[in-house]
Amino acid sequence: DTGVSQNPRHKITKRGQNVTFRCDPISEHNRLYWYRQTLGQGPEFLTYFQNEAQLEKSRLLSDRFSAERPKGSFSTLEIQRTEQGDSAMYLCASSPYRGNTGELFFGEGSRLTVL
Amino acid sequence: KQEVTQIPAALSVPEGENLVLNCSFTDSAIYNLQWFRQDPGKGLTSLLLIQSSQREQTSGRLNASLDKSSGRSTLYIAASQPGDSATYLCAVGRGGGADGLTFGKGTHLIIQP
Repeated sequence: DTGVSQNPRHKITKRGQNVTFRCDPISEHNRLYWYRQTLGQGPEFLTYFQNEAQLEKSRLLSDRFSAERPKGSFSTLEIQRTEQGDSAMYLCASSPYRGNTGELFFGEGSRLTVL
Repeated sequence: KQEVTQIPAALSVPEGENLVLNCSFTDSAIYNLQWFRQDPGKGLTSLLLIQSSQREQTSGRLNASLDKSSGRSTLYIAASQPGDSATYLCAVGRGGGADGLTFGKGTHLIIQP
């Protein structure tokens, strides 16, 4: 399978706990993106990487959020001290960089429910 | 800042009809535009990608057009089927030199058998 893989697919946690999501992009895609989607809304940009470098972070990404892509392959998104407002679908996408915004390929998402 | 609007927000039509979904965007300086399909609780499936130099793209029963100067795109679905029921999302480059896509809120489509 050469698609974008995300896990876990579902996570239920209590307020105040930390959670981590993992994304494995399509191999040889050097750009990786994280988006957040709440019910009835389109996905909202959070951050993106060019290889291991995090090039931009949205203002939506508060201090409790951290994303890494240590070896330029898989990425993790950690949320510390979760709040009920963090409940959402977290989507990962990858793209081959060709000098501008290329076609994005999305994973199935990781759904977070904070009780 | 790029803003994307999709009209209508929801649409319900009988099977077999041809239909058009609309997308408009505020910053015409885009590299490309993508249409996605999203089934309930699932990720996004890319349907069509139109480069800024192109006017349209076709895949099977789907045809997407792009009028960059007016900031509009349409997705045409021919001979709709119940399996086409899903949310359709339009996305364009975020603009201002930033990478990634800005999405509309989508059109929730129901095809009645």
